[in-house]
Amino acid sequence: NAGVTQTPKFQVLKTGQSMTLQCAQDMNHNSMYWYRQDPGMGLRLIYYSASEGTTDKGEVPNGYNVSRLNKREFSLRLESAAPSQTSVYFCASSASPTGGEAFFGQGTRLTVV
Amino acid sequence: GENVGLHLPTLSVQEGDNSIINCAYSNSASDYFIWYKQESGKGPQFIIDIRSNMDKRQGQRVTVLLNKTVKHLSLQIAATQPGDSAVYFCAENRQAGTALIFGKGTTLSVSS
Repeated sequence: NAGVTQTPKFQVLKTGQSMTLQCAQDMNHNSMYWYRQDPGMGLRLIYYSASEGTTDKGEVPNGYNVSRLNKREFSLRLESAAPSQTSVYFCASSASPTGGEAFFGQGTRLTVV
Repeated sequence: GENVGLHLPTLSVQEGDNSIINCAYSNSASDYFIWYKQESGKGPQFIIDIRSNMDKRQGQRVTVLLNKTVKHLSLQIAATQPGDSAVYFCAENRQAGTALIFGKGTTLSVSS
């Protein structure tokens, strides 16, 4: 049982480049999330999808877009990467948006130079 | 602003001691809380959760206490082991239908 799978694990981008971070879960969860984690900070919510077909902004959505492709997959896109987006990105999923354990992927370490 | 914060960024204990990690939250409407453990290079892992209709919940070697009066959450780890060394985060669900909001974390270091 793979749980939550993120790709890629590492990425280096030049300022202005675009890329998409992929996330897939095999637990038949309704809700999926994208967080970023910076040194000394907790995890900050970028976007979430409470259920298939819906997406909502979190605390730090600027510079990002998301797509809930289907129930399994939730992607995060950086249209024009900036050094401030250097971070570790975590995807998570949970059975319900009303509470309940969220399962996390292993993270994508992104560096923007 | 409102946030879920931890009282101490670091905590150092000896192996075998009991550890207590604290967390303060500011939103009295939050009704669900989770503690996560994050080891270096990995994603957060669930430890234990508690709903606002409870004051205490116990797991294996861990206990979560919730004091709604002062909006305080704590994680107690009994007989702390070197494998418990990690960053611990508390998280709250502030509003049904949204997502967990995390605090900044406490780094627990266990020495032998």
